Amino acid sequence: DVVLTQTPPTLLATIGQSVSISCRSSQSLLHSNGNTYLNWLLQRTGQSPQPLIYLVSKLESGVPNRFSGSGSGTDFTLKISGVEAEDLGVYYCMQFTHYPWTFGGGTKLELK
Amino acid sequence: EVQLVESGGGLVQPGASLKLSCVASGFTFSDYWMSWVRQTPGKTMEWIGDIKYDGSYTNYAPSLKNRFTISRDNAKSTLYLQMSNVRSEDTATYYCTRVGPSYFDYWGQGVMVTVSS
Repeated sequence: DVVLTQTPPTLLATIGQSVSISCRSSQSLLHSNGNTYLNWLLQRTGQSPQPLIYLVSKLESGVPNRFSGSGSGTDFTLKISGVEAEDLGVYYCMQFTHYPWTFGGGTKLELK
Repeated sequence: EVQLVESGGGLVQPGASLKLSCVASGFTFSDYWMSWVRQTPGKTMEWIGDIKYDGSYTNYAPSLKNRFTISRDNAKSTLYLQMSNVRSEDTATYYCTRVGPSYFDYWGQGVMVTVSS
């Protein structure tokens, strides 16, 4: 199975601060069709996970453009350029390239 | 509006069976693969498996394929998860998800399953 390692596990930020979360894969997420199926989700407290970014860098409809995704192969990053209060929660990366699909351990974003 | 509503959770004894349901609305259910994902109390996310839009094919996480079965009834726009011989480690919140072209694009609100004697 593909192991996704997220760092840091907890991220303390102030409103307006820019932060980054890393997701490293145990194997390349480049599919034979040329796509890289690395996604990011946000789970706010008491809510279901919601998609933020798919195919490494494409924003889900309605997601603010302060969110951005980058990376390739085995190393990926989610960046929030100016944290807002509504961004607090747990961020997960997940891969859709190799069965079984797997998730990272999560990064909890909290206010400092 | 796409909605996925799970039901059927609760307290169940070890070794018992349980069937979860997920009623879908707001889209043509029979056009989409569907999937189940669970989240443990420690917040670990685990993909359980998925099912093709016509129900003819399923994939499972290897660790669960001998005890969990996914099925669907397209006439009722309903997805099912049959869990058998449940264990304490199956205690989790179970989510029904729609499989988009590249990711899980919609999630249900989740249903809790607690396995305890």
